[in-house]
Amino acid sequence: QVQLVQSGAEVKKPGASVKVSCKASGHTFTDYAIQWVRQAPGQRLEWMGWIIADNGNTKYSQKFQGRVTITRDTSASTAYLELSSLTSEDTAVYYCARDQKGGSPPNYYYYAMDVWGQGTTVTVSS
Amino acid sequence: QAVVTQEPSLTVSPGGTVTLTCGSSTGAVTSGHYPYWFQQKPGQAPRTLIYDTNIKHSWTPARFSGSLLGGKAALTLSGAQPEDEAEYYCLLFYSGARVFGGGTKLTVL
Repeated sequence: QVQLVQSGAEVKKPGASVKVSCKASGHTFTDYAIQWVRQAPGQRLEWMGWIIADNGNTKYSQKFQGRVTITRDTSASTAYLELSSLTSEDTAVYYCARDQKGGSPPNYYYYAMDVWGQGTTVTVSS
Repeated sequence: QAVVTQEPSLTVSPGGTVTLTCGSSTGAVTSGHYPYWFQQKPGQAPRTLIYDTNIKHSWTPARFSGSLLGGKAALTLSGAQPEDEAEYYCLLFYSGARVFGGGTKLTVL
């Protein structure tokens, strides 16, 4: 069964960092890319960035540049999102989603967002 | 960063047809923005319905379809069902980055 399982809820103080994990199972991790999306309470979805699982290349939303780091551990089939300098505005549910890989070398592209994690609630409060 | 706009809310009668749209602050939406559409119900993770303008996933009901319409991306629901009541988000690509719209709350009433 193809799925993405995320780590549990986190409570952090302002100024701290948080690291959320997204473990893939049921498919070959390095054949895909992982997107990270968050949703503050009652707000829209917000794209944060993504990582290509096989080569580790990343791209981040300008909004989070300098504060976000996306990494992966291929041996653990797991992607990570780390967000630093947290404020109350970072209180949100954080989701990962899988992109499939299409095309052929060197012109791969990533698409579909076909599998989503269950979400991880991050609460920032003093 | 580009701004992606959607209708805040729409209402459709059961069995009726409704079109949701997705516009871009940078100009007309084209196939090069690879429009996506997502459905989200309260307390649930989003579910991707359509990608690359009009490609459906295996789980996407046939009553949903995607297109480009009047310089925007469009999601048309034909034959609305009560279970289609949800928030719908579009997403557009901008040179490798992705931007979500503000969402449309669809009421089936």
